[in-house]
Amino acid sequence: DSGVTQTPKHLITATGQRVTLRCSPRSGDLSVYWYQQSLDQGLQFLIQYYNGEERAKGNILERFSAQQFPDLHSELNLSSLELGDSALYFCASSVAGTGTEAFFGQGTRLTVV
Amino acid sequence: GEDVEQSLFLSVREGDSSVINCTYTDSSSTYLYWYKQEPGAGLQLLTYIFSNMDMKQDQRLTVLLNKKDKHLSLRIADTQTGDSAIYFCAESIRGYGGSQGNLIFGKGTKLSVKP
Repeated sequence: DSGVTQTPKHLITATGQRVTLRCSPRSGDLSVYWYQQSLDQGLQFLIQYYNGEERAKGNILERFSAQQFPDLHSELNLSSLELGDSALYFCASSVAGTGTEAFFGQGTRLTVV
Repeated sequence: GEDVEQSLFLSVREGDSSVINCTYTDSSSTYLYWYKQEPGAGLQLLTYIFSNMDMKQDQRLTVLLNKKDKHLSLRIADTQTGDSAIYFCAESIRGYGGSQGNLIFGKGTKLSVKP
């Protein structure tokens, strides 16, 4: 158990809908990272938050957004969902923003039908 | 652009050594990593190597880094059936000072260990 908790574990929704994925980092970790794992694109870095502020942005679509709350948990919001958004979404956390080990959660499997 | 390549499949017999290879493109990567993903599980960091090192050993795992050729390998000695998983090579994304969370991953090598 990495100590990173993601909910829900599975999510099935229809095209055009909006969903929110939640991540609770390990106790004491200030950084949260979001990744998308799909069959065709592999594992792609989406976005990083550090202590409530956006720190780095990767291949995140404009339809997707994230935030980190004062209690350090993070949410990834996916809107106007398309079939191609079906993927496993991972959250990871680390103590600081650089040079420290990142621990991954078990992921949320999103299926868009 | 930045890219990490690795072969997709590797099959070995229990007790043999496994060698998983990876090539990367960004010579400024500070750290290079190996992650393991078992079915239904998240990613587990196995080991990492700092870019000024050539080799790192950790119990059954040996990482070799050839910076000139931008080649990274992971050797698992005495491979067991429990080592069957997907192994990902990753490099830190340029500009983020070696943050271990901002990574570019390869597509993963599926290791199958036959008894």
